[in-house]
Parts: sequence; structure tokens; C-alpha cells
Amino acid sequence: DTAVSQTPKYLVTQMGNDKSIKCEQNLGHDTMYWYKQDSKKFLKIMFSYNNKELIINETVPNRFSPKSPDKAHLNLHINSLELGDSAVYFCASTHGGNYGYTFGSGTRLTVV
Amino acid sequence: DAKTTQPNSMESNEEEPVHLPCNHSTISGTDYIHWYRQLPSQGPEYVIHGLTSNVNNRMASLAIAEDRKSSTLILHRATLRDAAVYYCIPSYGGATNKLIFGTGTLLAVQP
Repeated sequence: DTAVSQTPKYLVTQMGNDKSIKCEQNLGHDTMYWYKQDSKKFLKIMFSYNNKELIINETVPNRFSPKSPDKAHLNLHINSLELGDSAVYFCASTHGGNYGYTFGSGTRLTVV
Repeated sequence: DAKTTQPNSMESNEEEPVHLPCNHSTISGTDYIHWYRQLPSQGPEYVIHGLTSNVNNRMASLAIAEDRKSSTLILHRATLRDAAVYYCIPSYGGATNKLIFGTGTLLAVQP
């Protein structure tokens, strides 16, 4: 069973479109994250939710809106996609504290 | 947030031990030292973490300097599957905890 699963794995879309990426974890973790990895392979945190509550928002453009319907799910909706949004987006979860994070396998978003 | 310094790249031969160093001279007293790795085309993977004492698990060992300003991740016998980018990340583990990834060390393993 996949611990942190993301869908879709690949997403190709045109500029200006709106798209969503979904993440689900079956580990019983309380905290979930979205990270963005750009073309230079730099991993940057975007958002964190703890028990459905937003706790970290790292100055991400408001075109990006995370939503957590329950503590096992964290989705990312992106409005008006731009070329610079092309990246690999990783979802992660953890029990919190100094427990290890479990990452999903990523969603490669390409905006054309 | 504590800054880290890691070599950009290292090379190892298969079946040999690998010592991956990390300097974190600005680490705070409550930060744990976490190590993650990212294999090609995969998400980051937890390797090990510790506070002061050396730590061992099935994947690796972590040696932490007495002053905590540096640490070394030890892979006892490198395999081809260990070729990845290794990240050293100080993290305090509080309610707003977040892992801040640096540039890491790209480990190449030669057969």
C-alpha cells in the first residue's frame, strides 16, 4: 500500500488554466505539506496543514490554494497557471515533532 | 534557521563505506539533525536523525560532533541504489516545524 499517494503523476496544461493536484496519506499522520521542486532541483516548502488547519504559508502567490477536507487529504489548487509554475510538486506527511517525513512520488506539472 | 554546508558531490565505490559530512555551525540547542535522500525521479526519503548521541538504523549511522556543529552520515557498504542527493537538515520539531532543504550532496556510486 502506498503511504503517501499523489494524483496525477504527470500534468501538462496550457497557461491560464486552473488545475488541482491531490494527495492522500494512509499513515494516520496529523501534519501534511506541499513542496515545490524547480528545474534546478531546489526543494522549497509551500504550505503545511495540521489536522485540517493551515499552519505554514510560505509567501506563495494566492493563485495557489491548498485545501484539506480531512487530515488524510491535502489538495493543491492552482489558478491561472503560468509558465513558472512548471515544477515537480511533492506532498509529505508526518506525525509532527521530530518524526520523519514521508514524501509522495511527486506530480510533474508542465505549463505550456 | 540553521545554515548547512555540504560538499556538492562525492564519489564512492560499491561495497565501500561512505562518509557524508555536513557543517551546521549555527544550529540551535534544540534542533535535531535530520538526513534525507532523494533518489532520481523520486520524492525525498527519510534516512536518520539525532540530537546529540550517535544513532544507528538499518539504513545508516549518524555521527554527531560533540559541539554539534557538524555531523557525518555513514553508509557502511554503498550499493548502486544509494546513488542519490543527500540532505542534512537541522530541524527543531515544533508545532510549525518545516524541513528546509539545501542543495545537498550528490553521491555517485561506481560499480
